[in-house]
Amino acid sequence: EAGVTQSPTHLIKTRGQQVTLRCSPISGHTSVYWYQQALGLGLQFLLWYDEGEERNRGNFPPRFSGRQFPNYSSELNVNALELEDSALYLCASRAGRNNQPQHFGDGTRLSIL
Amino acid sequence: GENVEQHPSTLSVQEGDSAVIKCTYSDSASNYFPWYKQELGKGPQLIIDIRSNVGEKKDQRIAVTLNKTAKHFSLHITETQPEDSAVYFCAASKGAAGNKLTFGGGTRVLVKP
Repeated sequence: EAGVTQSPTHLIKTRGQQVTLRCSPISGHTSVYWYQQALGLGLQFLLWYDEGEERNRGNFPPRFSGRQFPNYSSELNVNALELEDSALYLCASRAGRNNQPQHFGDGTRLSIL
Repeated sequence: GENVEQHPSTLSVQEGDSAVIKCTYSDSASNYFPWYKQELGKGPQLIIDIRSNVGEKKDQRIAVTLNKTAKHFSLHITETQPEDSAVYFCAASKGAAGNKLTFGGGTRVLVKP
């Protein structure tokens, strides 16, 4: 069974640009989570999508947004990139049933110059 | 909101010795506590989890204990091996694993051969 896949693996952008990151969940998983792992700040919750709807949002500005498609894959969009957005962006998926854990992909490394 | 503290931040052990990592959480409503292992260049990998109706759980060389009264939980790794070297994260969430994970700051474990 394929795990959570994320693309691209690496990205380099400049300040003010926009970026889209993609995530394909494990087959059969309906929930997708996005986390930011910045150096020295640990793993911070960004967004949670379930059945195509945004269910919860972390303490991030509105320029961080996303969506979930009917096939349960997801995109994370970041507008007006700032230097502090440099981080590893991790996607996790979970089966819709209760008491199931989140499984992570290997992330997209975003560098802002 | 939930706050998770993790100690120590770094841990060096001799191969074959035991390693213990401790976490405390602030929200008494949290009821799900996973542990993840993150190797260089990879996403976090779930190694064990525990729910609030259980005090202890074991899987081969790994065990987790939970003290709900004191709001702390611990990871125990016995007979450590060089491949146990990684960064370990504890996390907490509410809602039967359906909601966001709040992570501790991580523990870098080095197992010396």
